[in-house]
Amino acid sequence: QLQLRESGPGLVKPSETLSLTCIVSGDSIVSGIYYWGWIRQPPEKGLEWIGNVYSSGSPYYNPSLKGRVTISADMSKNQFSLRLSSVTAADTAVYYCARQITKWTTDFWGPGTLVTVSS
Amino acid sequence: DIQMTQSPSSLSASVGDNVTVTCRASQSISRSLNWYQQKLGKAPKLLIYAASSLQSDVPSRFSGSGSGTDFTLIISSLQPEDFATYYCQQSWKTPGTFGQGTKVDIK
Repeated sequence: QLQLRESGPGLVKPSETLSLTCIVSGDSIVSGIYYWGWIRQPPEKGLEWIGNVYSSGSPYYNPSLKGRVTISADMSKNQFSLRLSSVTAADTAVYYCARQITKWTTDFWGPGTLVTVSS
Repeated sequence: DIQMTQSPSSLSASVGDNVTVTCRASQSISRSLNWYQQKLGKAPKLLIYAASSLQSDVPSRFSGSGSGTDFTLIISSLQPEDFATYYCQQSWKTPGTFGQGTKVDIK
């Protein structure tokens, strides 16, 4: 049974880098069937696709975050990561890691983790 | 970016009601439209993809239709567990934008 679990600090200071890891069990990220990515949701707001990575290929990013976001996969550990640099309060959100059946269609979500940007 | 606009933003309904939520895209997206359900404090759940295909394990009272720019989610005979927020999402091109959500609560 597939399980995704987000791991990382819940508090990040402004201008620093947010780093999260998604630990995957019950499926292999090297299978080449799915995309593995991130979606976020600011408190009381809607959803925003951040980006994803497909097997060992190049990642795809939301252009609004390009330049600040990096998504990478560690095939040996069956996990993938998100790094978001130069964060501001606007980056405060629940961050979900996800399995995607197309570049944008998410069929399985992690439980989410709240990351607050504050000094 | 493609803008997705849902209506209404919220609605009140009773158990047994039929509920309709609409989603409009700012440009044609063919049938590249998903619907998700999100309950309070939980991750969203995929209900429908490709405008009308029901995700596995989703009850058949949920149905979707539409193409081009106009789409509809129908919940037939609303059940207590259906009170939630519903989001549409275009899966036509990056960045896979979502609608602002429609909250369905108890009348």
